[in-house]
Amino acid sequence: RKEVEQDPGPFNVPEGATVAFNCTYSNSASQSFFWYRQDCRKEPKLLMSVYSSGNEDGRFTAQLNRASQYISLLIRDSKLSDSATYLCVVNRPDDYKLSFGAGTTVTVRA
Amino acid sequence: ETGVTQTPRHLVMGMTNKKSLKCEQHLGHNAMYWYKQSAKKPLELMFVYNFKEQTENNSVPSRFSPECPNSSHLFLHLHTLQPEDSALYLCASSQDGSGGLGEQFFGPGTRLTVL
Repeated sequence: RKEVEQDPGPFNVPEGATVAFNCTYSNSASQSFFWYRQDCRKEPKLLMSVYSSGNEDGRFTAQLNRASQYISLLIRDSKLSDSATYLCVVNRPDDYKLSFGAGTTVTVRA
Repeated sequence: ETGVTQTPRHLVMGMTNKKSLKCEQHLGHNAMYWYKQSAKKPLELMFVYNFKEQTENNSVPSRFSPECPNSSHLFLHLHTLQPEDSALYLCASSQDGSGGLGEQFFGPGTRLTVL
């Protein structure tokens, strides 16, 4: 089983729509969770950390479900500039390194 | 310059060539990483340096050789590569080697093509 699994998409949504997607992780002992954003042919950049209680950052909401071992990202009022690949990132508790998912591609159309 | 820089941004090399990738971070971090990103695949961690000491070699073939002369600079020396080594090579840094608990900052990457 992969350490981090994501639906690759693509999710094609119109401007203003809400889009949500999940990521599952295999190690129940993982403690740190992140969403990174990667634009086409660019480097990944941290979008937001994911806290146990869930957290919001503007139009972005992240949730953590430890029982089912998944995290989610919801984007409200999608903008064209939200088009990117969103990487789910989870720490490896054995060595404290990060495991990356292959990414979920979101395309927002006018 | 700020953040994490990488040179060159693009590299085309033959299988018999020797080349080096360079990474420099201007963030005062103590840990640096090399990742490989192939199309449609997750980032693969290759090497980790924490306070200039290599703490991880993730079963990377010996044709990839890292060097970390100080906490701000990281090199990846390449020799006798294979076409399947063509990928985006990303350098990253973090405050310390407990990369799993903190944000990593990535450079723009070197897009490598091996002919």
